[in-house]
Amino acid sequence: EAEVAQSPRYKITEKSQAVAFWCDPISGHATLYWYRQILGQGPELLVQFQDESVVDDSQLPKDRFSAERLKGVDSTLKIQPAELGDSAMYLCASRRGERETQYFGPGTRLLVL
Amino acid sequence: SQQGEEDPQALSIQEGENATMNCSYKTSINNLQWYRQNSGRGLVHLILIRSNEREKHSGRLRVTLDTSKKSSSLLITASRAADTASYFCATDSRGGSEKLVFGKGTKLTVNP
Repeated sequence: EAEVAQSPRYKITEKSQAVAFWCDPISGHATLYWYRQILGQGPELLVQFQDESVVDDSQLPKDRFSAERLKGVDSTLKIQPAELGDSAMYLCASRRGERETQYFGPGTRLLVL
Repeated sequence: SQQGEEDPQALSIQEGENATMNCSYKTSINNLQWYRQNSGRGLVHLILIRSNEREKHSGRLRVTLDTSKKSSSLLITASRAADTASYFCATDSRGGSEKLVFGKGTKLTVNP
């Protein structure tokens, strides 16, 4: 069964450093999402792509976060500079079509020291 | 902001018992989905129920949806220790960008 792939699974960094996360959605899934999940909370959407275009980035802290999906397939989420409050699980999800199930990857757990 | 609110926040039961979790939401939806998350892992999709459906089954799972009350419930029958996880409801709102809005989850512990 196809899965959403994410790497790395864990990342420890110091504040003010740059970090990047990678996501490869299920083949054929045009819509890709990045969520952030703080411990004890539900995931919250950071950015949504439809193919290579950003559909919703209203909750993305654009002063330090950036996301791209250049060829409409895999995607990268970057944080520069990282802050202590960025420590969280970063989840990627993809969906084939409208009103269909979103499938999540295993996540990247980020710890900023 | 989080739309769904799960209730209870935590639930502890014995193996073999049934577990019921509730979810309330605020706006009109296209569908509502339930996900499971084992500690430190990604989310696993359990079931999707559309706004025109009232009940859906999948194995030991039963989900109901009451759009007039803006609420849903997830029932896990004959629970197992392996069902220990956090359970989240997520809504896909009408008129939006079809992003999912999650609640804070119910932490279920099934004791052997």
